[in-house]
Amino acid sequence: NAGVTQTPKFQVLKTGQSMTLQCAQDMNHEYMSWYRQDPGMGLRLIHYSVGAGITDQGEVPNGYNVSRSTTEDFPLRLLSAAPSQTSVYFCASSSQAAGTGGGYTFGSGTRLTVV
Amino acid sequence: QQQVKQSPQSLIVQKGGISIINCAYENTAFDYFPWYQQFPGKGPALLIAIRPDVSEKKEGRFTISFNKSAKQFSLHIMDSQPGDSATYFCAVPNTGTASKLTFGTGTRLQVTL
Repeated sequence: NAGVTQTPKFQVLKTGQSMTLQCAQDMNHEYMSWYRQDPGMGLRLIHYSVGAGITDQGEVPNGYNVSRSTTEDFPLRLLSAAPSQTSVYFCASSSQAAGTGGGYTFGSGTRLTVV
Repeated sequence: QQQVKQSPQSLIVQKGGISIINCAYENTAFDYFPWYQQFPGKGPALLIAIRPDVSEKKEGRFTISFNKSAKQFSLHIMDSQPGDSATYFCAVPNTGTASKLTFGTGTRLQVTL
């Protein structure tokens, strides 16, 4: 099925560990974003990309890195996990800029717990 | 940075009733205002969106009303059904770039029988 695929679905990390959350889309979308969802805080933008090789920071980028070497893939790296990064992470893609009519297609999320 | 205020935080409506969720924003340079619907354990999905050259957009039982001068827009769900029970998020384009959306904090809707 066409869409956004996120792996893993669940992950438990120890404080200080690093890991990469994978995101892949098969819709040839130029725009991709990573959001985290926390209770009572909605969805907050971590990083986004407007095309292969181009990334920029969102509102909560600290502790996360991204790269976009291909149109399809947009991995999110946690450099040194902290309990404050316990959250549900969503990857989203769109065919045009979100503010001009690009409705997001979201993945099913990765639930991350840092202990 | 864009500020988006969504209300209420939670809402209980009887089957057949009207659900109303409100969203207010500060500023934006762009013209696309979506609502997303999220079921437990799933990612959000685009429900309906409006461009402010119109004051209202209707798709089935879902209607967006937009008041550009007040910088507010709302989602109305007519004839609410138990299957509409979900969390709803409004979103507003960022002031600086069209590539970013700021989401509201969400409204958990429960439709009772």
